[in-house]
Amino acid sequence: EVQLVESGGGLVQPGRSLKLSCAASGFTFSNYYMAWVRQAPTKGLEWVASITNSGGSTYYRDSVKGRFTISRDNAKSTLYLQMDSLRSEDTATYYCTRDGGSYDYWGQGVMVTVSS
Amino acid sequence: DIVMTQSPSSLAVSAGETVTINCKSSQSLFGSVRQKNYLAWYQQKPGQSPKLLIYLASTRESGVPDRFIGSGSGTDFTLTISSVQAEDLANYYCQQYYDTPYTFGAGTKLELK
Repeated sequence: EVQLVESGGGLVQPGRSLKLSCAASGFTFSNYYMAWVRQAPTKGLEWVASITNSGGSTYYRDSVKGRFTISRDNAKSTLYLQMDSLRSEDTATYYCTRDGGSYDYWGQGVMVTVSS
Repeated sequence: DIVMTQSPSSLAVSAGETVTINCKSSQSLFGSVRQKNYLAWYQQKPGQSPKLLIYLASTRESGVPDRFIGSGSGTDFTLTISSVQAEDLANYYCQQYYDTPYTFGAGTKLELK
């Protein structure tokens, strides 16, 4: 059974950093692209970043470029999202997803609240 | 960026009805190499993560009931739910994966009448 389990969320002040993790199991992690998708409270879904299966290429939405870094450790079957210089508009639930273009598996999500 | 426009934004239905949700993209999602439309549909129930229902515009994900039908091509797509059941009450989103950044529609909330 495929499982994606996020961790690392919480309340953080504007301008500070946070690192999310996503532990994957039930599939060969190193064979798949992965992505982070977020959802602000009561809002819709928004792609944040993607990474190729080897980790050699990464892609970001414009609003997080230069502030967020997606990475992975295939030996640990874990996906990461390092979030720096956080802004109030980054407040959202962040989902780890398996990225085949469409997102066929999602984690339960982790809440990130950016507020002073 | 490709803009995805969903309609209606909300829909009140009775159990057993057939409902149609529309999704229009600002440019064609048809890929000439694979001859496929790169459009997906998701269902999100309150307090839950989204769930993939349909990909490549009309291919049902494994385990999805056959009352969920995706159709359309180019820029106009439809999700039809036949004989709606109480468990289908949720938010539904379309998503294009033809070009980055991949973008979602704003969602359609399916409510009970």
